Amino acid sequence: QKEVEQNSGPLSVPEGAIASLNCTYSDRVSQSFFWYRQYSGKSPELIMSIYSNGDKEDGRFTAQLNKASQYVSLLIRDSQPSDSATYLCAVMDSSYKLIFGSGTRLLVRP
Amino acid sequence: DAGITQSPRYKITETGRQVTLMCHQTWSHSYMFWYRQDLGHGLRLIYYSAAADITDKGEVPDGYVVSRSKTENFPLTLESATRSQTSVYFCASSEAPGLGEAFFGQGTRLTVV
Repeated sequence: QKEVEQNSGPLSVPEGAIASLNCTYSDRVSQSFFWYRQYSGKSPELIMSIYSNGDKEDGRFTAQLNKASQYVSLLIRDSQPSDSATYLCAVMDSSYKLIFGSGTRLLVRP
Repeated sequence: DAGITQSPRYKITETGRQVTLMCHQTWSHSYMFWYRQDLGHGLRLIYYSAAADITDKGEVPDGYVVSRSKTENFPLTLESATRSQTSVYFCASSEAPGLGEAFFGQGTRLTVV
């Protein structure tokens, strides 16, 4: 069973701080990695995708990928209360199935 | 309107009844997915489809049936609903799931009593 693991949280950070969200995956052949944000009662929406080792930055968001360690992370700089949501890590497996972790709930305190 | 829509948004049904959840997308995406979301389990893949008339099982397919006669529609049927199938169901579509975004519908909250 291919797995994607996340700490369920909640991760609580003060406004303006850096939030660091982590994810590990079990399928070594995975090539595509995604971070989705889900507000309570809403559907998931993509915020970052990453395909190669290293960092990828988009505004306040940075995704980091280390395939050797089977580890992907999301950093949110200058966290805002509007960033409070559940963040879902997703991994595309070799048969194009998108496998999700259970999500990390982020709370940004004003 | 362009996008991916699910219907109904809310459904209450009785144990043993057959229920069909509808999913329609206007982008002509090849790939479509059905997930269920339960507390503590995140999103779990039920079935997916790579194209019309091509479907395959995901992580939790038991008790569910899908079909895809047209690219734009991907209905999910619970043949005989059980209380354990009470969940929020999300449909998603993607043009190229390895390279791009999967777009999600609004979700269907299903309660089996």
